[in-house]
Amino acid sequence: QKEVEQNSGPLSVPEGAIASLNCTYSDRVSQSFFWYRQYSGKSPELIMSIYSNGDKEDGRFTAQLNKASQYVSLLIRDSQPSDSATYLCAVKADRGSTLGRLYFGRGTQLTVWP
Amino acid sequence: NAGVTQTPKFQVLKTGQSMTLQCAQDMNHNSMYWYRQDPGMGLRLIYYSASEGTTDKGEVPNGYNVSRLNKREFSLRLESAAPSQTSVYFCASRPILTTGIRIDTQYFGPGTRLTVL
Repeated sequence: QKEVEQNSGPLSVPEGAIASLNCTYSDRVSQSFFWYRQYSGKSPELIMSIYSNGDKEDGRFTAQLNKASQYVSLLIRDSQPSDSATYLCAVKADRGSTLGRLYFGRGTQLTVWP
Repeated sequence: NAGVTQTPKFQVLKTGQSMTLQCAQDMNHNSMYWYRQDPGMGLRLIYYSASEGTTDKGEVPNGYNVSRLNKREFSLRLESAAPSQTSVYFCASRPILTTGIRIDTQYFGPGTRLTVL
């Protein structure tokens, strides 16, 4: 069973601060990692993908991957109240009988207060 | 391009009733998935279809059946609903990675909120 663990939260930050969301995974062969955002009552929406060690930036979002430590994180700079949502970390099985399946963490609920 | 669509959006059933949740995608994706999401449990995979004509069990298949009707449609059936199946159900689809598709991940429909009394 592939495990994906996220810091349980909830996480609360003031507007303008950096929100840091963390995720660890158990499957050493995974090569594909994703962050989804889920607003209350809505479906998960892909916001970041990362495949290589290091940082990947997209606007106010930065994903960081360290395969040796089996760790992936999401930083949200200049947090806005509209960033308040649950963030799901997902790891894709890249080989074997479960190729293509995503394994999700339970999510971290983020609240950004004005 | 509607993406992934699901019907119905809401449903209330009595214990023992049956129903089928419908899912369709117009993105020419090969793989389709059914999840349930419960508070504190995250997303759990019920069944998936890697390609047209194939289906496989996920983590929590008991009490459900699926049909991959064609490349576009993947339905989930509850034969005899139980209160434990009260949940939000999401369908998702995934493309095959090609030179034109760089992000090989799943895209979700809007969900069906199911209550079993």
